[in-house]
Amino acid sequence: EIVMTQSPATLSVSPGERATLSCRASQSVSSNLAWYQQKRGQAPRLLIYGASTRATGIPARFSGSGSGTEFTLTISSLQSEDFAVYYCQQYNNWPPVTFGQGTKVEIK
Amino acid sequence: EVQLVESGGGLVQPGGSLRLSCAASGFTFSDHYMDWVRQAPGKGLEWVGRTRNKANSYTTEYAASVKGRFTISRDDSKNSLYLQMNSLKTEDTAVYYCARAKTTVSNYYYYYYMDVWGKGTTVTVSS
Repeated sequence: EIVMTQSPATLSVSPGERATLSCRASQSVSSNLAWYQQKRGQAPRLLIYGASTRATGIPARFSGSGSGTEFTLTISSLQSEDFAVYYCQQYNNWPPVTFGQGTKVEIK
Repeated sequence: EVQLVESGGGLVQPGGSLRLSCAASGFTFSDHYMDWVRQAPGKGLEWVGRTRNKANSYTTEYAASVKGRFTISRDDSKNSLYLQMNSLKTEDTAVYYCARAKTTVSNYYYYYYMDVWGKGTTVTVSS
């Protein structure tokens, strides 16, 4: 099973600032990595797939990078609606599909 | 509009059974692999299992934590996905989401990520 590890667990950022979230895989997942955003009481929403491709309707301030075992989600200028929990997920090797434990982005 | 709507959640005693449903609309359901994902209270996302499509014989895969207790099925004529949960444990308490698995191809291999999610249905296992 591929273990996904996200850091930090919590990121405190001021609106307008840049946020950088990390995700590490226990073995290579090539570029088969997705990022999801989950707001309180809501279902997850796909942000990024293929490590760097934005899903339909996702603003350009969200960008993904990386391949192999190291990945980054960057939010260039945080808006109030971006404060949420973010999960990475590998889909290179399954079963099982595996998620990271999440990074909570909170208002500083 | 592409939509997934889960139903069937509720309170059940340990050892009991429950069947969840997921109604799909706005896309060709029969073409897609489909997933169940759950989230325990205050916890992260956990993949439960996946059903392949008819072209791949509707075969299924499960997380180790539910294998042998949960069964995923689908009825393409009704655009519906199901999760039969037996021998429920308190640790199965969670919000259960169904999700569409989107196909992508790379180097002649197929990969599947979850691109559309339902709002979820809550299952509580408690005496």
